[in-house]
Amino acid sequence: GAVVSQHPSRVICKSGTSVKIECRSLDFQATTMFWYRQFPKKSLMLMATSNEGSKATYEQGVEKDKFLINHASLTLSTLTVTSAHPEDSSFYICSAKNFGEQETQYFGPGTRLLVL
Amino acid sequence: GQNIDQPTEMTATEGAIVQINCTYQTSGFNGLFWYQQHAGEAPTFLSYNVLDGLEEKGRFSSFLSRSKGYSYLLLKELQMKDSASYLCAVRSGGSYIPTFGRGTSLIVHP
Repeated sequence: GAVVSQHPSRVICKSGTSVKIECRSLDFQATTMFWYRQFPKKSLMLMATSNEGSKATYEQGVEKDKFLINHASLTLSTLTVTSAHPEDSSFYICSAKNFGEQETQYFGPGTRLLVL
Repeated sequence: GQNIDQPTEMTATEGAIVQINCTYQTSGFNGLFWYQQHAGEAPTFLSYNVLDGLEEKGRFSSFLSRSKGYSYLLLKELQMKDSASYLCAVRSGGSYIPTFGRGTSLIVHP
């Protein structure tokens, strides 16, 4: 099956710093990638949809200047949490749609962010 | 918007059968997904239903009734490794992006 990787898997940073999370589709081209956020025992909340070569579409309530998304190639999307604060601590998961498959999205292993 | 409801937690015995229900309210229903998520890991795809009826895949089956806004995931011959959170996700309207429910935490004990 299709594989999506995320890096780093875990990051601890100081308040005020920026953190970049990478999402890669390893064996397929992903024209669309999605970024989710998940709090403990809560649902996956879609943050934004990332389309290769164009601007990301953010969900209501998600600050686009705080969560910068870049989808520069068909296999890579990055999420940068700028000026991170403790309330940004969460589990961030990306997923990718294979161009030829309409019904399935493949999830990355997630990145656990802890902001001190 | 969408309203997706599933039980928060369920427990079951190894070897038994468990049914996890999901009810939803939405307009323009366009598919329902079930995902399995182990703690600290990403969700993995289990099933997709867009028409009424039962879809069987090995030990896992998923059922959909569009008129009732209802689905269930049936797990047979439970194994300890089936302990996980099971997420129901509904797609609607013109969007191809599903909305996730809170998930049901299933605990399988010996």
